[in-house]
Amino acid sequence: SAVISQKPSRDICQRGTSLTIQCQVDSQVTMMFWYRQQPGQSLTLIATANQGSEATYESGFVIDKFPISRPNLTFSTLTVSNMSPEDSSIYLCSADSGSNEKLFFGSGTQLSVL
Amino acid sequence: QKEVEQNSGPLSVPEGAIASLNCTYSDRVSQSFFWYRQYSGKSPELIMSIYSNGDKEDGRFTAQLNKASQYVSLLIRDSQPSDSATYLCAVRGDSWGKLQFGAGTQVVVTP
Repeated sequence: SAVISQKPSRDICQRGTSLTIQCQVDSQVTMMFWYRQQPGQSLTLIATANQGSEATYESGFVIDKFPISRPNLTFSTLTVSNMSPEDSSIYLCSADSGSNEKLFFGSGTQLSVL
Repeated sequence: QKEVEQNSGPLSVPEGAIASLNCTYSDRVSQSFFWYRQYSGKSPELIMSIYSNGDKEDGRFTAQLNKASQYVSLLIRDSQPSDSATYLCAVRGDSWGKLQFGAGTQVVVTP
């Protein structure tokens, strides 16, 4: 299984600011994904981070709000821009472990916006 | 809208008993099915995957899949207090890599 390191683990931010979350995988992976989990809710996919091309966003999520980088096969970042209290959530990065299609998660970033 | 449905619980199970969790999905072309365990404040941990109809056993866990009924279940035998967590059903449809998650079922194992 892939080991995924995510940071920061938590942060408290002011309204209107931006936060960049980093995700590092210990092996090369084809697909990386960013999910959001709001309190008491399940996981919602924000976008698929593609290496060498723009991220693919799900309905309701836009690049201006959640810009994503994927500079290589082991690393990705998600930025939460111009934050509001509604962005308070846990953000999770994930990656497939290769040909067996299993998806593994980083430890998550708990974001609180004041 | 592709959906994955689970009972939210909580499902209260005496220690040593069998916990039975159910999940239904709407996308008929779904090919891969997963169960994740999520402890409070932690990220999801993959515990089972199943791809074909029938049962798949791994230790105390058994996953069951019935594609005709669009139904996947998870049995936890000899439940332990450490099994107390939220269990998420996830389904991969026709897009490689992308998973659709259910809302999760909270399991509480009582000593």
